[in-house]
Amino acid sequence: EVQLVESGGGLVQPGGSLRLSCAVSGFTFSNYEMNWVRQAPGKGLEWVSYISGSGNIYYAASVKGRFTISRDNAKNSLFLQMNSLRAEDTAVYYCARSANLNYFDYWGQGTLVTVSS
Amino acid sequence: DIQMTQSPSSVSASVGDRVTITCRASRSITNWLAWYQQKPGKAPKLLIYTASSLQSGVPSRFSGSGSGTDFTLTISSLQPEDFATYYCQQANSFPFTFGPGTKVDIK
Repeated sequence: EVQLVESGGGLVQPGGSLRLSCAVSGFTFSNYEMNWVRQAPGKGLEWVSYISGSGNIYYAASVKGRFTISRDNAKNSLFLQMNSLRAEDTAVYYCARSANLNYFDYWGQGTLVTVSS
Repeated sequence: DIQMTQSPSSVSASVGDRVTITCRASRSITNWLAWYQQKPGKAPKLLIYTASSLQSGVPSRFSGSGSGTDFTLTISSLQPEDFATYYCQQANSFPFTFGPGTKVDIK
């Protein structure tokens, strides 16, 4: 069974940092692209970042230069280092597996990040 | 960036109704489009990919069509478990972008 489990969310002050993790199981992690997608409270979905199995990386303009995606294939884990956090980064952050056609076929349950003083 | 729009933003329907949701891309994405269903407090669920391919395990009452810039999601006979918000997503190019969503609620 494919499972994705996010952790690391919480309350952080503006300008602070947070590191999200996504532990996966049930599939060969290194063979798949992975993504972070976020959803602000009461709002729609926003793609944040992508990393391929070999390490190719893309970011949304809203987070480029502040967020860093990475993965550890040996530990079946995906990460999102978030720096210089702003109130508008407040959202539930989901990790999502890409099928080979850039669709998100499996999602985690999400972890809430709240940026507030 | 490719902008995605959806209409309507919400629709009220009854069990058994046929529901159609439209998604439009700001430029051609050929058939690089997916549809997701999201229920409150839950992660989105992939329904349709490549505009018209049904994801494994998704009921056949869901169907997708379209190409280029205009796409539709159709629910042929609405069931109680289908009341949710539906999003389209373009997978043609980075940054991936979603439509604003269509909420399907009970009439």
